[in-house]
Amino acid sequence: SAVISQKPSRDICQRGTSLTIQCQVDSQVTMMFWYRQQPGQSLTLIATANQGSEATYESGFVIDKFPISRPNLTFSTLTVSNMSPEDSSIYLCSVPGTSFDEQFFGPGTRLTVL
Amino acid sequence: AQRVTQPEKLLSVFKGAPVELKCNYSYSGSPELFWYVQYSRQRLQLLLRHISRESIKGFTADLNKGETSFHLKKPFAQEEDSAMYYCALSPSGAGSYQLTFGKGTKLSVIP
Repeated sequence: SAVISQKPSRDICQRGTSLTIQCQVDSQVTMMFWYRQQPGQSLTLIATANQGSEATYESGFVIDKFPISRPNLTFSTLTVSNMSPEDSSIYLCSVPGTSFDEQFFGPGTRLTVL
Repeated sequence: AQRVTQPEKLLSVFKGAPVELKCNYSYSGSPELFWYVQYSRQRLQLLLRHISRESIKGFTADLNKGETSFHLKKPFAQEEDSAMYYCALSPSGAGSYQLTFGKGTKLSVIP
């Protein structure tokens, strides 16, 4: 199994600012996923981050709002740009297991936008 | 587009009672289905997957294509089963990629 850490674990931000969330994995992985979980809602996939190429965004999510970096096989960042209170959520990163039938999740970043 | 519905936000049962967490899905093909669990102060983790037909911690789940359901069951609930449970779907052949999650059901087992 993969061990995943995220920074920060939580933050409170002002409207209009940006926050970058880091995700570190203890092994090299090709794909990393970023999810959002709004209060009372399900986890929703934001994008898939592949090392060496641009992230693939799901419907309803755009690169200008959620730019992603993937500089190497163990690290990725997600930036939440120009934040509004609607961006208050838990943001999680995950990676697939070696058999590709399981995902391992990070502990999440709880973001509150005032 | 696929969709996963968990009709119960909260389910409370007494210790030793049977548990059934409902999950219904909408998908035009043959999906792969999973149950994920999040215990208090722990991260989300896989509980079981339908293709393995396994029993984990006494839990089982059967895929019913006719009813498009994948309910999670346990004959005798334990206090340590209290957690948030998420049903998830992946398109056939995609493995664990492109997971679509339900909103989750919070299971509370009363001592």
